Amino acid sequence: KAGVTQTPRYLIKTRGQQVTLSCSPISGHRSVSWYQQTPGQGLQFLFEYFSETQRNKGNFPGRFSGRQFSNSRSEMNVSTLELGDSALYLCASSWRQGDMNTEAFFGQGTRLTVV
Amino acid sequence: KNQVEQSPQSLIILEGKNCTLQCNYTVSPFSNLRWYKQDTGRGPVSLTIMTFSENTKSNGRYTATLDADTKQSSLHITASQLSDSASYICVVSETGSYQLTFGKGTKLSVIP
Repeated sequence: KAGVTQTPRYLIKTRGQQVTLSCSPISGHRSVSWYQQTPGQGLQFLFEYFSETQRNKGNFPGRFSGRQFSNSRSEMNVSTLELGDSALYLCASSWRQGDMNTEAFFGQGTRLTVV
Repeated sequence: KNQVEQSPQSLIILEGKNCTLQCNYTVSPFSNLRWYKQDTGRGPVSLTIMTFSENTKSNGRYTATLDADTKQSSLHITASQLSDSASYICVVSETGSYQLTFGKGTKLSVIP
Protein backbone atom coordinates (compact mmCIF):
# COMPACT_ATOMS: atom_id res chain seq x y z
CA LYS A 1 0.00 0.00 0.00
CA ALA A 2 1.57 3.30 -1.06
CA GLY A 3 2.18 5.88 1.65
CA VAL A 4 1.42 9.57 1.65
CA THR A 5 3.09 11.26 -1.30
CA GLN A 6 4.07 14.90 -1.32
CA THR A 7 5.40 16.76 -4.31
CA PRO A 8 7.69 18.40 -4.92
CA ARG A 9 10.23 17.42 -2.27
CA TYR A 10 12.15 20.69 -2.57
CA LEU A 11 11.27 24.16 -3.78
CA ILE A 12 13.09 27.46 -3.95
CA LYS A 13 11.00 30.56 -4.51
CA THR A 14 11.58 34.29 -4.28
CA ARG A 15 9.69 36.70 -2.06
CA GLY A 16 6.35 37.76 -3.46
CA GLN A 17 5.84 34.65 -5.54
CA GLN A 18 3.21 32.05 -4.90
CA VAL A 19 3.60 28.30 -4.54
CA THR A 20 1.39 25.23 -4.71
CA LEU A 21 2.22 22.02 -2.90
CA SER A 22 0.53 18.70 -3.51
CA CYS A 23 -0.37 15.79 -1.25
CA SER A 24 -1.74 12.40 -2.26
CA PRO A 25 -3.11 10.53 0.77
CA ILE A 26 -3.06 6.82 1.36
CA SER A 27 -5.69 5.08 -0.74
CA GLY A 28 -9.01 5.07 1.10
CA HIS A 29 -8.08 7.94 3.42
CA ARG A 30 -10.44 10.88 3.14
CA SER A 31 -8.89 13.27 5.65
CA VAL A 32 -5.82 15.35 4.82
CA SER A 33 -4.18 17.80 7.19
CA TRP A 34 -1.38 20.23 6.51
CA TYR A 35 1.35 21.35 8.91
CA GLN A 36 4.22 23.81 8.84
CA GLN A 37 7.39 22.81 10.63
CA THR A 38 10.16 25.25 11.51
CA PRO A 39 13.07 24.82 13.92
CA GLY A 40 11.78 27.51 16.26
CA GLN A 41 8.07 26.69 16.32
CA GLY A 42 7.97 22.96 15.73
CA LEU A 43 4.94 21.53 13.96
CA GLN A 44 2.00 23.88 13.57
CA PHE A 45 -1.42 22.95 12.21
CA LEU A 46 -2.49 24.77 9.06
CA PHE A 47 -5.80 23.19 8.06
CA GLU A 48 -7.64 19.95 7.57
CA TYR A 49 -9.80 18.78 4.69
CA PHE A 50 -12.34 16.00 4.66
CA SER A 51 -14.57 15.15 1.71
CA GLU A 52 -13.44 18.25 -0.18
CA THR A 53 -14.43 20.58 2.68
CA GLN A 54 -12.16 22.46 5.04
CA ARG A 55 -13.11 21.22 8.53
CA ASN A 56 -10.54 22.91 10.73
CA LYS A 57 -8.12 25.81 10.34
CA GLY A 58 -5.10 26.82 12.32
CA ASN A 59 -3.91 30.31 13.12
CA PHE A 60 -2.27 31.26 9.83
CA PRO A 61 -2.88 34.28 7.59
CA GLY A 62 -5.15 34.12 4.57
CA ARG A 63 -2.13 33.80 2.29
CA PHE A 64 -2.23 30.13 3.18
CA SER A 65 -5.05 28.27 1.52
CA GLY A 66 -5.86 24.79 0.39
CA ARG A 67 -8.33 22.56 -1.32
CA GLN A 68 -9.18 18.91 -1.67
CA PHE A 69 -10.31 17.11 -4.77
CA SER A 70 -12.85 14.35 -5.16
CA ASN A 71 -10.08 11.73 -5.16
CA SER A 72 -8.94 13.08 -1.75
CA ARG A 73 -5.74 14.57 -3.14
CA SER A 74 -5.06 17.94 -1.62
CA GLU A 75 -3.17 21.04 -2.58
CA MET A 76 -1.87 23.84 -0.43
CA ASN A 77 -1.19 27.30 -1.82
CA VAL A 78 0.84 30.10 -0.32
CA SER A 79 0.61 33.49 -2.01
CA THR A 80 2.90 36.51 -1.68
CA LEU A 81 5.68 34.45 -0.14
CA GLU A 82 7.67 35.87 2.74
CA LEU A 83 11.10 34.81 4.01
CA GLY A 84 9.43 33.47 7.14
CA ASP A 85 7.45 30.99 5.08
CA SER A 86 10.61 28.93 4.62
CA ALA A 87 9.81 25.63 6.30
CA LEU A 88 9.11 21.96 5.90
CA TYR A 89 5.46 21.54 4.92
CA LEU A 90 3.99 18.20 5.92
CA CYS A 91 0.69 16.64 5.13
CA ALA A 92 -0.91 13.78 7.01
CA SER A 93 -3.73 11.53 5.92
CA SER A 94 -6.13 9.46 7.95
CA TRP A 95 -9.19 7.40 7.31
CA ARG A 96 -11.82 9.65 8.75
CA GLN A 97 -12.11 13.03 10.36
CA GLY A 98 -13.45 13.28 13.87
CA ASP A 99 -12.17 9.89 15.01
CA MET A 100 -9.40 10.94 17.29
CA ASN A 101 -7.97 7.49 17.63
CA THR A 102 -7.44 7.14 13.93
CA GLU A 103 -3.77 6.97 13.06
CA ALA A 104 -2.40 9.85 11.03
CA PHE A 105 0.27 9.03 8.48
CA PHE A 106 2.68 11.72 7.39
CA GLY A 107 4.29 12.30 4.04
CA GLN A 108 7.97 13.08 3.61
CA GLY A 109 7.28 16.78 3.34
CA THR A 110 8.10 19.57 0.95
CA ARG A 111 11.07 21.72 1.90
CA LEU A 112 10.25 25.29 0.82
CA THR A 113 12.99 27.90 0.80
CA VAL A 114 12.07 31.52 0.16
CA VAL A 115 14.94 33.78 -0.90
CA LYS B 1 -4.46 27.38 25.73
CA ASN B 2 -3.54 23.76 25.00
CA GLN B 3 0.18 23.13 25.38
CA VAL B 4 2.58 20.21 25.16
CA GLU B 5 5.99 20.59 26.77
CA GLN B 6 8.80 18.13 26.14
CA SER B 7 12.04 17.63 27.99
CA PRO B 8 14.90 17.52 27.57
CA GLN B 9 15.21 19.63 24.45
CA SER B 10 18.17 17.52 23.34
CA LEU B 11 19.96 14.45 24.61
CA ILE B 12 23.17 12.62 23.73
CA ILE B 13 23.60 9.01 24.83
CA LEU B 14 26.00 6.17 24.11
CA GLU B 15 24.90 3.32 21.91
CA GLY B 16 23.41 0.52 23.97
CA LYS B 17 22.25 2.77 26.82
CA ASN B 18 18.64 3.41 27.81
CA CYS B 19 16.98 6.80 27.94
CA THR B 20 13.65 8.37 28.89
CA LEU B 21 11.98 11.33 27.26
CA GLN B 22 9.29 13.36 29.02
CA CYS B 23 6.08 15.00 27.85
CA ASN B 24 3.73 17.17 29.94
CA TYR B 25 0.47 18.48 28.51
CA THR B 26 -2.41 20.73 29.39
CA VAL B 27 -4.75 19.61 26.60
CA SER B 28 -8.29 19.14 27.86
CA PRO B 29 -10.51 17.28 27.39
CA PHE B 30 -7.94 14.64 26.58
CA SER B 31 -8.51 12.13 23.81
CA ASN B 32 -5.20 10.45 23.09
CA LEU B 33 -1.45 10.93 23.15
CA ARG B 34 0.95 9.92 20.40
CA TRP B 35 4.68 9.66 20.14
CA TYR B 36 6.29 10.18 16.75
CA LYS B 37 9.85 9.66 15.59
CA GLN B 38 11.12 12.06 12.97
CA ASP B 39 14.38 11.59 11.15
CA THR B 40 16.02 14.76 9.85
CA GLY B 41 14.26 16.06 6.74
CA ARG B 42 11.62 13.32 6.81
CA GLY B 43 8.03 13.11 7.92
CA PRO B 44 7.15 11.89 11.43
CA VAL B 45 6.46 8.19 11.89
CA SER B 46 4.11 6.97 14.59
CA LEU B 47 5.56 4.95 17.47
CA THR B 48 2.60 4.63 19.82
CA ILE B 49 -0.86 6.02 20.40
CA MET B 50 -2.49 5.82 23.83
CA THR B 51 -5.97 6.62 25.01
CA PHE B 52 -7.11 7.72 28.46
CA SER B 53 -7.42 4.17 29.77
CA GLU B 54 -3.99 2.96 28.68
CA ASN B 55 -1.02 3.30 31.02
CA THR B 56 1.69 1.60 29.01
CA LYS B 57 2.24 0.71 25.40
CA SER B 58 5.26 -0.87 23.77
CA ASN B 59 6.57 -0.94 20.23
CA GLY B 60 9.74 -2.99 20.14
CA ARG B 61 12.41 -1.19 22.14
CA TYR B 62 10.09 1.81 22.64
CA THR B 63 7.79 1.89 25.68
CA ALA B 64 5.44 4.77 26.31
CA THR B 65 3.69 5.44 29.61
CA LEU B 66 0.77 7.72 30.32
CA ASP B 67 -0.49 9.20 33.58
CA ALA B 68 -3.69 10.98 32.64
CA ASP B 69 -4.16 12.26 36.20
CA THR B 70 -0.90 14.20 36.23
CA LYS B 71 -1.02 14.77 32.46
CA GLN B 72 2.40 13.31 31.92
CA SER B 73 3.82 10.81 29.48
CA SER B 74 7.24 9.32 28.97
CA LEU B 75 8.94 7.44 26.17
CA HIS B 76 11.56 4.94 27.24
CA ILE B 77 14.08 3.64 24.70
CA THR B 78 15.88 0.47 25.63
CA ALA B 79 19.32 -0.57 24.34
CA SER B 80 19.62 2.42 22.04
CA GLN B 81 20.93 2.06 18.51
CA LEU B 82 22.53 4.57 16.17
CA SER B 83 19.33 4.52 14.11
CA ASP B 84 17.41 5.89 17.10
CA SER B 85 19.05 9.27 16.46
CA ALA B 86 16.07 11.46 15.59
CA SER B 87 13.60 13.94 17.02
CA TYR B 88 10.85 12.47 19.15
CA ILE B 89 7.62 14.41 19.15
CA CYS B 90 4.79 14.11 21.63
CA VAL B 91 1.34 14.93 20.22
CA VAL B 92 -1.89 15.26 22.16
CA SER B 93 -5.39 15.42 20.73
CA GLU B 94 -8.49 16.95 22.24
CA THR B 95 -11.80 15.15 22.35
CA GLY B 96 -14.18 16.37 19.69
CA SER B 97 -11.56 18.07 17.55
CA TYR B 98 -9.21 16.76 14.92
CA GLN B 99 -6.62 19.36 15.79
CA LEU B 100 -3.44 18.02 17.32
CA THR B 101 -1.20 19.90 19.72
CA PHE B 102 2.47 19.16 19.11
CA GLY B 103 5.42 19.38 21.43
CA LYS B 104 8.59 20.86 20.01
CA GLY B 105 10.33 17.54 20.29
CA THR B 106 13.40 16.06 21.91
CA LYS B 107 16.41 15.68 19.65
CA LEU B 108 18.15 12.44 20.51
CA SER B 109 21.68 11.68 19.33
CA VAL B 110 23.04 8.18 19.85
CA ILE B 111 26.81 8.01 19.53
CA PRO B 112 29.06 4.97 19.20
